[in-house]
Amino acid sequence: AQSVTQLGSHVSVSEGALVLLRCNYSSSVPPYLFWYVQYPNQGLQLLLKYTSAATLVKGINGFEAEFKKSETSFHLTKPSAHMSDAAEYFCAVTPLSNFGNEKLTFGTGTRLTIIP
Amino acid sequence: DAGITQSPRHKVTETGTPVTLRCHQTENHRYMYWYRQDPGHGLRLIHYSYGVKDTDKGEVSDGYSVSRSKTEDFLLTLESATSSQTSVYFCAISESQLAGDTQYFGPGTRLTVL
Repeated sequence: AQSVTQLGSHVSVSEGALVLLRCNYSSSVPPYLFWYVQYPNQGLQLLLKYTSAATLVKGINGFEAEFKKSETSFHLTKPSAHMSDAAEYFCAVTPLSNFGNEKLTFGTGTRLTIIP
Repeated sequence: DAGITQSPRHKVTETGTPVTLRCHQTENHRYMYWYRQDPGHGLRLIHYSYGVKDTDKGEVSDGYSVSRSKTEDFLLTLESATSSQTSVYFCAISESQLAGDTQYFGPGTRLTVL
């Protein structure tokens, strides 16, 4: 079964600094990959997803992620952090198949804090 | 935002009592899911539905049952709540079962079992 590992349960960056949140997947076949964001007391919102098209995926709010098969990674980045980016971020994976959306598997999350 | 509401948003109950959480969607999506969110575990699938009266178990289904009598409503029932079921519960919907299809999430229900 596929899984994802998010390195760092808490990440702090200064306002204006680079945001880098790490996600590595374990799967024998490159899967579909997702990043979701959860603001306090809210549900999850899709930031971006990789579905085997372009390896560099651009999402909402200035975030992007690059799929690297050789590193089995899908790290999330943003060039310049804003205070509004403070939230919890989840990486998720489903198998590369025509079905299986119910097999969406989440990482344990990374809480991002922005330092003024 | 996808039209998904969950009720109640907060609930405190006692061990051994039955509890039903409701998910309502206005998107007419066929697929609906119930997850629980716990610190250190991310989100884990409890049950899902692939149509009216069609449901299946997820990773952590023990102690939970579901029902779907209408496209728009998906109910999660804890027959006899236990303290281990204290969690935040999220409903999600998707248009298809395709693995790359986006799941849209509701605002969540925070359940505390004393």
